[in-house]
Amino acid sequence: GEDVEQSLFLSVREGDSSVINCTYTDSSSTYLYWYKQEPGAGLQLLTYIFSNMDMKQDQRLTVLLNKKDKHLSLRIADTQTGDSAIYFCAESEGYSTLTFGKGTMLLVSP
Amino acid sequence: DGGITQSPKYLFRKEGQNVTLSCEQNLNHDAMYWYRQDPGQGLRLIYYSQIVNDFQKGDIAEGYSVSREKKESFPLTVTSAQKNPTAFYLCASSHLGGELFFGEGSRLTVL
Repeated sequence: GEDVEQSLFLSVREGDSSVINCTYTDSSSTYLYWYKQEPGAGLQLLTYIFSNMDMKQDQRLTVLLNKKDKHLSLRIADTQTGDSAIYFCAESEGYSTLTFGKGTMLLVSP
Repeated sequence: DGGITQSPKYLFRKEGQNVTLSCEQNLNHDAMYWYRQDPGQGLRLIYYSQIVNDFQKGDIAEGYSVSREKKESFPLTVTSAQKNPTAFYLCASSHLGGELFFGEGSRLTVL
């Protein structure tokens, strides 16, 4: 079955850039998503990218997709303490259900 | 305001009891989902429904049941057959093939 892998933890200093990486196995993935979860809350969609794109930028967020290597990354520029959260990568194939990674906990220190 | 509402936010249950978690959405989404989240395990799909009166098992459906009698509602029952029910439960909804919108979650603790 499909699998999505992420590193579990990332620590950065406030003002630095953060890069969270994700790999997936399903070559039929159509959409790739990044969700953010703050403590004790649900998930919020941050951004998504279609599989026929290689980059998407949205304010401080940059998503890079290397379809050949099945590698997705999320770069957060000028990381703030409010960015501390768990970030989930997810993929889907058209109308199928999403497959989530286990999440990367981002800790931003002042 | 449009969104997804889960209740209760916190729930305690004695072993051997069934408990039902509520999920209501007013986004006019066709699809609804239940996920379970455990520390370090990410999200695992329990059940999903793409249309009223129909639902499908996810990866970890054993010990759970659902119903979809109305488009807006997708309650989850955690039965006494679920061997390790203590977890954070997340409900989500979407248009078919669209992004998921999540509720705030329900934390179930079995005493």
